Amino acid sequence: DGGITQSPKYLFRKEGQNVTLSCEQNLNHDAMYWYRQDPGQGLRLIYYSQIVNDFQKGDIAEGYSVSREKKESFPLTVTSAQKNPTAFYLCASSRDRPNQPQHFGDGTRLSIL
Amino acid sequence: RKEVEQDPGPFNVPEGATVAFNCTYSNSASQSFFWYRQDCRKEPKLLMSVYSSGNEDGRFTAQLNRASQYISLLIRDSKLSDSATYLCVVNQRGGSNYKLTFGKGTLLTVNP
Repeated sequence: DGGITQSPKYLFRKEGQNVTLSCEQNLNHDAMYWYRQDPGQGLRLIYYSQIVNDFQKGDIAEGYSVSREKKESFPLTVTSAQKNPTAFYLCASSRDRPNQPQHFGDGTRLSIL
Repeated sequence: RKEVEQDPGPFNVPEGATVAFNCTYSNSASQSFFWYRQDCRKEPKLLMSVYSSGNEDGRFTAQLNRASQYISLLIRDSKLSDSATYLCVVNQRGGSNYKLTFGKGTLLTVNP
């Protein structure tokens, strides 16, 4: 079955440590996205990519980095510069055309030790 | 005005009830509209797209009023399994990019 796979499901970060969240899709979608969700809040866009080797900052990119070396993969690194990283991170993908919905992976919960 | 604003909720309704959610959006250039459902501690899942003419999928009906920049979702004959947070989502174009903006969601609890 086609879908989006995020790993790990739960992740713990020590102070000063960088961690990388994985996102892989086999839907042949061009566009991929990373969101952060905090309790009681809507999803906020961190980074997005419409094509391989290109990505754009979203609304809250500070303290995060991404790469898009393959169409299927869009990993997110939470750097030590992100001072409040505890959140639910969601990866999504879509066809890069008008009026297309996004489809989500099942998320990674990141916590600080 | 917030980009996407939803009824704050929560809504608590008995099984079999009809419940309606409202959503307003600020950008008149917004092009497409969706309702997503999110279960507790899970990812959002697409419930339905919202078309200008209004559309229905079983017990769910979505309406769009572009003049008032307003979207609605009606659930008839509520089931226990409808309990979830419902997210209003608006797609708007900025340059060559298509950006989704999510409302904070409205929590629905259907009680036996």
